[in-house]
Amino acid sequence: GQQVMQIPQYQHVQEGEDFTTYCNSSTTLSNIQWYKQRPGGHPVFLIQLVKSGEVKKQKRLTFQFGEAKKNSSLHITATQTTDVGTYFCAGKTGNTGKLIFGQGTTLQVKP
Amino acid sequence: DTAVSQTPKYLVTQMGNDKSIKCEQNLGHDTMYWYKQDSKKFLKIMFSYNNKELIINETVPNRFSPKSPDKAHLNLHINSLELGDSAVYFCASSQGGGGGSNQPQHFGDGTRLSIL
Repeated sequence: GQQVMQIPQYQHVQEGEDFTTYCNSSTTLSNIQWYKQRPGGHPVFLIQLVKSGEVKKQKRLTFQFGEAKKNSSLHITATQTTDVGTYFCAGKTGNTGKLIFGQGTTLQVKP
Repeated sequence: DTAVSQTPKYLVTQMGNDKSIKCEQNLGHDTMYWYKQDSKKFLKIMFSYNNKELIINETVPNRFSPKSPDKAHLNLHINSLELGDSAVYFCASSQGGGGGSNQPQHFGDGTRLSIL
């Protein structure tokens, strides 16, 4: 079945360092969404990418959707302790209406 | 003014028992979901309802039975609980979740189910 793979599973960084998580799908996606889950919390929607090659920015966060619409990345510049949490990509294919979540990347930031 | 609310927040029970989790959303969305998040944080869709109609039913044991009395509510009943059912169960909602909808999903706070 369709799979969405996300790497790395864990990342420890020093505050101020950059961070990137990568997401790859076995099939072409109609769109990709990114969510953040703080420790003990629930997933919260960050952004959605729909177009091939799309790049969107939210302050220090940069989201990219690959040209083939099979991969995506989230890059955080100059991490802060408030960035701690698990970042999930979630892809949707065709008309199923089903979001397939990646395994998540858990980010730890050392002050 | 909570958008998606689940009860209970914590559920500790014995193996073999039957339990229910309730979910309500006040966002006016027409689609609701149940997800299971295991200890490795993997989020897996279980069910989805659009306007009270079941549209997604993943490979879930039939001990799990969802029920949607109206589009603002989606409950989950679990029979004969097993150790492997221990997880966090999240309810979520979105607008137009069926077909090609691109709307984001709004999650509840989760129900932490522990089976003894």
